Amino acid sequence: QKEVEQNSGPLSVPEGAIASLNCTYSDRGSQSFFWYRQYSGKSPELIMFIYSNGDKEDGRFTAQLNKASQYVSLLIRDSQPSDSATYLCAVSSNTGKLIFGQGTTLQVKP
Amino acid sequence: KAGVTQTPRYLIKTRGQQVTLSCSPISGHRSVSWYQQTPGQGLQFLFEYFSETQRNKGNFPGRFSGRQFSNSRSEMNVSTLELGDSALYLCASRPGQGFGSTEAFFGQGTRLTVV
Repeated sequence: QKEVEQNSGPLSVPEGAIASLNCTYSDRGSQSFFWYRQYSGKSPELIMFIYSNGDKEDGRFTAQLNKASQYVSLLIRDSQPSDSATYLCAVSSNTGKLIFGQGTTLQVKP
Repeated sequence: KAGVTQTPRYLIKTRGQQVTLSCSPISGHRSVSWYQQTPGQGLQFLFEYFSETQRNKGNFPGRFSGRQFSNSRSEMNVSTLELGDSALYLCASRPGQGFGSTEAFFGQGTRLTVV
């Protein structure tokens, strides 16, 4: 079992729709959870982080964490073509190791 | 504030050779992590250094090694290169206070091609 799992996609949504990206992790001791966005040929950049169970909103982005189910998600509201990228879920354990999922490719069609 | 700097940006090596990649973290950051990114495997964790000590290690063979200097700059070495080592190698910088609680900032990566 991979430490962090994501559906590789591609996930295709029409412009203006909500994109839902999901991630599961195996280490119950994980403490911090991050979503990164990576455009083709570029390095990953942080979108959001979440530490506590529940929802955290930042503009069009909402991160959701459920530690009991070992599940993290990212919702993107009013998706734009510029949101088309690979979204990487990252999980940090209490030892500091930051592990990434394989990433989900999102395509937003105009 | 300068970002994370990786050198060189591109590298072509022959099978069997060795290579050294360099990463200068953000000023004040003490944690440097290395990742290998390939289309088939995604971002795979190699190792993390904090205050010159290897704090975490991924599941890579011993041909992959690293070190960190007192100024937090880090180097990664791959010996006896194989074709499968062709990848984008990314370095990530974190302040290091508290285990895992802070975001990682990435460099632009070194694209290694083994022929």
